[in-house]
Amino acid sequence: AQSVTQLGSHVSVSEGALVLLRCNYSSSVPPYLFWYVQYPNQGLQLLLKYTSAATLVKGINGFEAEFKKSETSFHLTKPSAHMSDAAEYFCAVDSNYQLIWGAGTKLIIKP
Amino acid sequence: NAGVTQTPKFQVLKTGQSMTLQCAQDMNHEYMSWYRQDPGMGLRLIHYSVGAGITDQGEVPNGYNVSRSTTEDFPLRLLSAAPSQTSVYFCASSPGQGYTFGSGTRLTVV
Repeated sequence: AQSVTQLGSHVSVSEGALVLLRCNYSSSVPPYLFWYVQYPNQGLQLLLKYTSAATLVKGINGFEAEFKKSETSFHLTKPSAHMSDAAEYFCAVDSNYQLIWGAGTKLIIKP
Repeated sequence: NAGVTQTPKFQVLKTGQSMTLQCAQDMNHEYMSWYRQDPGMGLRLIHYSVGAGITDQGEVPNGYNVSRSTTEDFPLRLLSAAPSQTSVYFCASSPGQGYTFGSGTRLTVV
């Protein structure tokens, strides 16, 4: 069965610093991969998705993610954190129209 | 174009009561699904549908029923609510690649 692992339930970075949120999936076949963001008491917003067209995927709000098949990883990055990036981030794998989710990483931005 | 509409947004139930969470989409998407979100666990799939008249179980189906009589609607029924079903419920639809989520229903069972 597919699984998704997000390393770190909480990640804290200073404003202006690099953001790196880690996601590893378990699949021998490159799947569809997604990153979603959830702001407090809100719904889920798609940040970006990998659909095998390009290994480096650019999303909204300055985020991007790189698909690495050899490492089964799809880490999310942003060069410079902003206070408005504070939220919970979820990585998900699409397995036959069923999304398998990581447990989520809360991103904390220090002023 | 409303996207995916979930009602109600909030609900409090007593143990043993039944209720239906509504989900409707106006994008003519074939695929629809229900997830529950619990702290520290991400989202887990309850039931999904690949088209009208076709439904299947996900990871945590016990205590929930679904039906898909039309492309637009995918209601989730709680047969006899239990405190363990206290959660936030999200409905999603997809044309086959990428998902659109509703705004969620926060359910508390007391």
